[in-house]
Amino acid sequence: QQQVKQSPQSLIVQKGGIPIINCAYENTAFDYFPWYQQFPGKGPALLIAIRPDVSEKKEGRFTISFNKSAKQFSLHIMDSQPGDSATYFCAATSGGYNTDKLIFGTGTRLQVFP
Amino acid sequence: KAGVTQTPRYLIKTRGQQVTLSCSPISGHRSVSWYQQTPGQGLQFLFEYFSETQRNKGNFPGRFSGRQFSNSRSEMNVSTLELGDSALYLCASSLVGDSGNTIYFGEGSWLTVV
Repeated sequence: QQQVKQSPQSLIVQKGGIPIINCAYENTAFDYFPWYQQFPGKGPALLIAIRPDVSEKKEGRFTISFNKSAKQFSLHIMDSQPGDSATYFCAATSGGYNTDKLIFGTGTRLQVFP
Repeated sequence: KAGVTQTPRYLIKTRGQQVTLSCSPISGHRSVSWYQQTPGQGLQFLFEYFSETQRNKGNFPGRFSGRQFSNSRSEMNVSTLELGDSALYLCASSLVGDSGNTIYFGEGSWLTVV
């Protein structure tokens, strides 16, 4: 119940394409869903995050879509660029005011070709 | 302002030895958490500290321990190292350690056990 399932494992798109990464969870106590971007040799960096009371959030070229009833959320990258090539992780917090423990998905390696 | 700083960045240890990794959170941040990242298991939560108290612990053996000092700096220790402990160890910090707070990661300490 603590898992976050992420797919696909890898994704290859052409520049300008719209890669979509999907995540699903079981624990209804999760109340915060961040996405992290990680480049080789670097730590994960927060990209965008959403709470379950919102169905969509956009920040620049990145959009999260959230379906609370299906317990699913996804990341869309508009007009993808070669510089977006990285590994993307969805995550969820286990909830509450006394923790920011993150449960991570397994990651998606995105490659954007020119 | 400076990000999360981890030292050392790279280290090689022998099976049976112990290792101590250090983390300096972003100035003002009181919550520090640690994660282990491996190709096989992904990003897994180790433990979380707030105001020098361990608030959460992941599913790792007792060989993994940590502490937080009064200045919020944290250390983690792994005793009796095993080959499977080879991983990237990531430290993260947040302002108050509540669900929904932005969590910032350091670049990690790469541990190789031979």
